[in-house]
Amino acid sequence: EPEVTQTPSHQVTQMGQEVILRCVPISNHLYFYWYRQILGQKVEFLVSFYNNEISEKSEIFDDQFSVERPDGSNFTLKIRSTKLEDSAMYFCASSDTGGETQYFGPGTRLLVL
Amino acid sequence: TQLLEQSPQFLSIQEGENLTVYCNSSSVFSSLQWYRQEPGEGPVLLVTVVTGGEVKKLKRLTFQFGDARKDSSLHITAAQTGDTGLYLCAFGGALNFGKGTSLLVTP
Repeated sequence: EPEVTQTPSHQVTQMGQEVILRCVPISNHLYFYWYRQILGQKVEFLVSFYNNEISEKSEIFDDQFSVERPDGSNFTLKIRSTKLEDSAMYFCASSDTGGETQYFGPGTRLLVL
Repeated sequence: TQLLEQSPQFLSIQEGENLTVYCNSSSVFSSLQWYRQEPGEGPVLLVTVVTGGEVKKLKRLTFQFGDARKDSSLHITAAQTGDTGLYLCAFGGALNFGKGTSLLVTP
């Protein structure tokens, strides 16, 4: 069964460093999403992406964040200058319809020291 | 801002017992999703309910969407240890999740 994959599974970085989290969505899906989950808190929407542009973003997704689809298979989330409070699980999701039925990857656990 | 309230927050039961968890809001939804999340993993979609009063079954799991499309419930019959996890409801294209019900099923 097709699935969303994410790399790396874990990332430790120093505050102020740039990180790139990578996702490979399900191959025939056209809508892509990033969410994050701070430990003990609920899953929060960051950004959605369709047709090579951001379709919606939350207040969390400030100028430190960017997304890119560099080729036909990868979807990346870049955090330009990480802060301690960026420590969280980051989940990528994809959808074929752009609706509520989204399929999540296993997540990348980011720890900022 | 539409909010989803899930209850109970935590639930610990023994294998074989039945349980119901709830997802409530003051807002009307066009549809609602239920996900299950295990520790360290991403949410896994269980079901989408769309029509008011709709009932969907997934093996021992029964999902109901309220007539007014403001609330939903998940009933598990004869719970098994493999049902342990965080049950989340969500709505919207930019999914807005509830805080979830953390279920622990013990042998």
